[in-house]
Amino acid sequence: ILNVEQSPQSLHVQEGDSTNFTCSFPSSNFYALHWYRWETAKSPEALFVMTLNGDEKKKGRISATLNTKEGYSYLYIKGSQPEDSATYLCAFNYGQNFVFGPGTRLSVLP
Amino acid sequence: EAGVAQSPRYKIIEKRQSVAFWCNPISGHATLYWYQQILGQGPKLLIQFQNNGVVDDSQLPKDRFSAERLKGVDSTLKIQPAKLEDSAVYLCASSQTLLAGGQFFGPGTRLTVL
Repeated sequence: ILNVEQSPQSLHVQEGDSTNFTCSFPSSNFYALHWYRWETAKSPEALFVMTLNGDEKKKGRISATLNTKEGYSYLYIKGSQPEDSATYLCAFNYGQNFVFGPGTRLSVLP
Repeated sequence: EAGVAQSPRYKIIEKRQSVAFWCNPISGHATLYWYQQILGQGPKLLIQFQNNGVVDDSQLPKDRFSAERLKGVDSTLKIQPAKLEDSAVYLCASSQTLLAGGQFFGPGTRLTVL
């Protein structure tokens, strides 16, 4: 059974703080790594799809890096805002299958 | 482009009752997924369809769960009879292709079994 881990489980930061989370996944049979943001009562929203070792992607204040050889990805949020409060999920994609991590729940306090 | 639609959004039932969820994927998306997300855990794949055929249902508790995707478009997921441990959010997602394409999720159905 493939295991995808995320840390920390939850995080509380002040508005304006920068923060980062980790997603750990198996280093074999890698196809892609997906990041999603899931706000309460809404649909999970795709943030990034990362496929190449060393990939760096950026969307506004959010960026992500990928290391497929050691099996981890980092998600960074610069200058957190209350609207960034959500659960951030990563999903390990091997071929046609996806395995999700348990998520990191971020709360940004005004 | 319309997103993935799911209904109902919320459902409360008693154990041993039956319940059904409906999903309408994004038009043209051949692959459809049903996930179960229990509080504190990541979404767990229950079943994956490619058009109207099942690709993976290895984690579907087949003694009580069933799903179908007639005509390769809409899908329904049924639980009968429900147990307390079935309380979860049931997410439907769709993607254009089987491989690596990003999945688009519906808002989910929150099921509470009393």
